[in-house]
Amino acid sequence: RKEVEQDPGPFNVPEGATVAFNCTYSNSASQSFFWYRQDCRKEPKLLMSVYSSGNEDGRFTAQLNRASQYISLLIRDSKLSDSATYLCVVFGGSYIPTFGRGTSLIVHP
Amino acid sequence: GAGVSQSPRYKVAKRGQDVALRCDPISGHVSLFWYQQALGQGPEFLTYFQNEAQLDKSGLPSDRFFAERPEGSVSTLKIQRTQQEDSAVYLCASSSRSGPTDTQYFGPGTRLTVL
Repeated sequence: RKEVEQDPGPFNVPEGATVAFNCTYSNSASQSFFWYRQDCRKEPKLLMSVYSSGNEDGRFTAQLNRASQYISLLIRDSKLSDSATYLCVVFGGSYIPTFGRGTSLIVHP
Repeated sequence: GAGVSQSPRYKVAKRGQDVALRCDPISGHVSLFWYQQALGQGPEFLTYFQNEAQLDKSGLPSDRFFAERPEGSVSTLKIQRTQQEDSAVYLCASSSRSGPTDTQYFGPGTRLTVL
């Protein structure tokens, strides 16, 4: 079993839809969690950190469920520009990050 | 300000050739990471520097891979006797401090193709 798992998708949704992705992790000692966004043939860029209490940034909401060992990303009112691959990143108690393979999102008109 | 830069952006090598990939992190950033990203996969950790010290190289796939950061700024990833399975995008990232909660800023990557 991989340390960090994501459904690769693609998730194909119309503009305005709400879409959610999950990312599961296997190391129960993991401390820090992030979502990065990667556009096609571009570098990853930080989207948001994931805090224990959950956090929101505009249309994006990230949550952590330690009991079930997963993090989630919710995107409301999807825009065409949200089309990208969303990577979850988990730090297992050290400075070494483990990336998921990414979930592809396609938002269509 | 200037972000992380990498050179070359594209490299084609014949199997068996040595290659050197360069990373210029954001000025003053303490931490520097190298990753390997295969098509359709997430970045895989290769190695980590804190200033000039290579604190972890557990992700390097073989002893053909070598990385250095002699003055704590620019870093070079060297691959000796390249193989076809080395074909991937090599990403460099830097962060301002050493903590795991620090944002990593990625360079555009070097796309290596080994023929």
